[in-house]
Amino acid sequence: DVKVTQSSRYLVKRTGEKVFLECVQDMDHENMFWYRQDPGLGLRLIYFSYDVKMKEKGDIPEGYSVSREKKERFSLILESASTNQTSMYLCASRGQGTIYGYTFGSGTRLTVV
Amino acid sequence: GQNIDQPTEMTATEGAIVQINCTYQTSGFNGLFWYQQHAGEAPTFLSYNVLDGLEEKGRFSSFLSRSKGYSYLLLKELQMKDSASYLCAVRDPPFTGGGNKLTFGTGTQLKVEL
Repeated sequence: DVKVTQSSRYLVKRTGEKVFLECVQDMDHENMFWYRQDPGLGLRLIYFSYDVKMKEKGDIPEGYSVSREKKERFSLILESASTNQTSMYLCASRGQGTIYGYTFGSGTRLTVV
Repeated sequence: GQNIDQPTEMTATEGAIVQINCTYQTSGFNGLFWYQQHAGEAPTFLSYNVLDGLEEKGRFSSFLSRSKGYSYLLLKELQMKDSASYLCAVRDPPFTGGGNKLTFGTGTQLKVEL
């Protein structure tokens, strides 16, 4: 029973391309998050959203933007992809009052060449 | 901000007990989580502590001491399938929107051997 779905498992893009990573959750969660995961650096928060059309910068927002037009969907946008954005991208969601932290999607491994 | 430390790697024997430590220095605290992540997969929730003490859940237990900024995850009766990365994460106090974001440590890679 998959609850957080990321549209692509693997992506290869060229430097300078505009890249969209999509995440959809079916749990009616208010909060959604985008992380990237790199060896030795762990999960680092890029952006998060606590409501439709609301967004907050995380720890490493540079080079990224996000969009949340509907409650169930949270998109991560790489405006002009660069090789240092090659990484595993993980989307997560969490409902208000939930003590169990996040539910993660299965991740998108993005390679920028 | 948050600073979270945990060992990079650990090795243990099948059937044994292993303890994975996590220390944190935070500007605010609203709970500590442990996640398990197998290679190539998403992290999955293991445990949550917000008060001091031990929380037990089957073969897994987690301990928290808020005054010491310290937690550990205890895995008993180790199985080969327990080979994975274990992530410690601290939840921030709620900001105005109630997001309660999590800050993760870099993870401890556990290898279970025969």
